Amino acid sequence: GESVGLHLPTLSVQEGDNSIINCAYSNSASDYFIWYKQESGKGPQFIIDIRSNMDKRQGQRVTVLLNKTVKHLSLQIAATQPGDSAVYFCAENPAGYSSNTGKLIFGQGTTLQVKP
Amino acid sequence: DTGVSQDPRHKITKRGQNVTFRCDPISEHNRLYWYRQTLGQGPEFLTYFQNEAQLEKSRLLSDRFSAERPKGSFSTLEIQRTEQGDSAMYLCASSAIGTGNHEQYFGPGTRLTVT
Repeated sequence: GESVGLHLPTLSVQEGDNSIINCAYSNSASDYFIWYKQESGKGPQFIIDIRSNMDKRQGQRVTVLLNKTVKHLSLQIAATQPGDSAVYFCAENPAGYSSNTGKLIFGQGTTLQVKP
Repeated sequence: DTGVSQDPRHKITKRGQNVTFRCDPISEHNRLYWYRQTLGQGPEFLTYFQNEAQLEKSRLLSDRFSAERPKGSFSTLEIQRTEQGDSAMYLCASSAIGTGNHEQYFGPGTRLTVT
């Protein structure tokens, strides 16, 4: 079935440390995944995406890793800052990147708390 | 254009009343999506449009819910005979299909409280 889930509801890190947020998915046919950041009172904001033909993709201070064997992806944030405090969601396009449907399936989210 | 906008930002209504929300997508985006988000959960897909055509509806979208995008620009989501279980954040997103960029840009949401 379609489900995307995160391992931990809350992650607390010290400012300056690296953060790793995990996500597991169940649909082995999924080939496109996205990480979103949601701050309080705002809509989700795109961080980074990855297609299944890649194992790793890097952005500015963020890296997404995809392990298709165990259906797991992670978001790594380098040198975590107070402004990174938010809820992070992984999302999946169950019909695949090349499909005509844009429907996203979201996980439940991990709250990242950055301690100064 | 500064992004996706939604109106109103907050709506309090009594059970049984009808409510209508509006979403204005990014102007050049031809796809528009509606999601619902309850506290502590991720957004749940409701429906999406490509231009004015409604291409998919979730089973979550009961017959009390109706969405329109009459001219392929802004969209409205109406909930008839609201129930307390309808209390949630209603999010709108838009994207530009065909550009190779699948990113969905979300608006700030409309928070509905049904009393």
